[in-house]
Amino acid sequence: AQSVAQPEDQVNVAEGNPLTVKCTYSVSGNPYLFWYVQYPNRGLQFLLKYITGDNLVKGSYGFEAEFNKSQTSFHLKKPSALVSDSALYFCAVRELNTDKLIFGTGTRLQVFP
Amino acid sequence: GAVVSQHPSRVICKSGTSVKIECRSLDFQATTMFWYRQFPKQSLMLMATSNEGSKATYEQGVEKDKFLINHASLTLSTLTVTSAHPEDSSFYICSASAGTVNTEAFFGQGTRLTVV
Repeated sequence: AQSVAQPEDQVNVAEGNPLTVKCTYSVSGNPYLFWYVQYPNRGLQFLLKYITGDNLVKGSYGFEAEFNKSQTSFHLKKPSALVSDSALYFCAVRELNTDKLIFGTGTRLQVFP
Repeated sequence: GAVVSQHPSRVICKSGTSVKIECRSLDFQATTMFWYRQFPKQSLMLMATSNEGSKATYEQGVEKDKFLINHASLTLSTLTVTSAHPEDSSFYICSASAGTVNTEAFFGQGTRLTVV
């Protein structure tokens, strides 16, 4: 069965510093991986996805993620964090042969001024 | 990206009444829509998958008679919480997919339901 894990409940980073939010996956076949962000009392916003091709995927708001097959990881990164990046981040994988997304438990990112 | 509109964003209802939540895909045809429930500080729990013109598929443990889902057109799905109880209070989120596995799903803004 497809699954993703987000090992950190919370990540704290100072504004201007690089940030990383971790995600590892376990899949049968080729993984379709996604990152979403959720602001308080809002739905999820799509950030980026990996389907195939370049391992480094660039997304919205300056975020990027690197697909690493050997480490089965898909970590979300940003070179310089903003206070406004503070939110809840979800990694997700597409369930095999369906449209369903399987979400990780989420990581709360807190960026301090 | 594509737009999914969910309405209402917030609703307060009395115990025993029913509440309907609408989810519309505004600029694409959603062959599949999903309904999630999110508890405070937790991840999304998939409740059901709805396909246009057919019965919804409910996840294990979700009462289909309590959470009625209708997907009457390619742009509209509704979730009705029947005979609501305080324990149904939660944040409900819909998402819509155009039906191809390499495309992302788009989410509504969510509905905060409070049952008093």
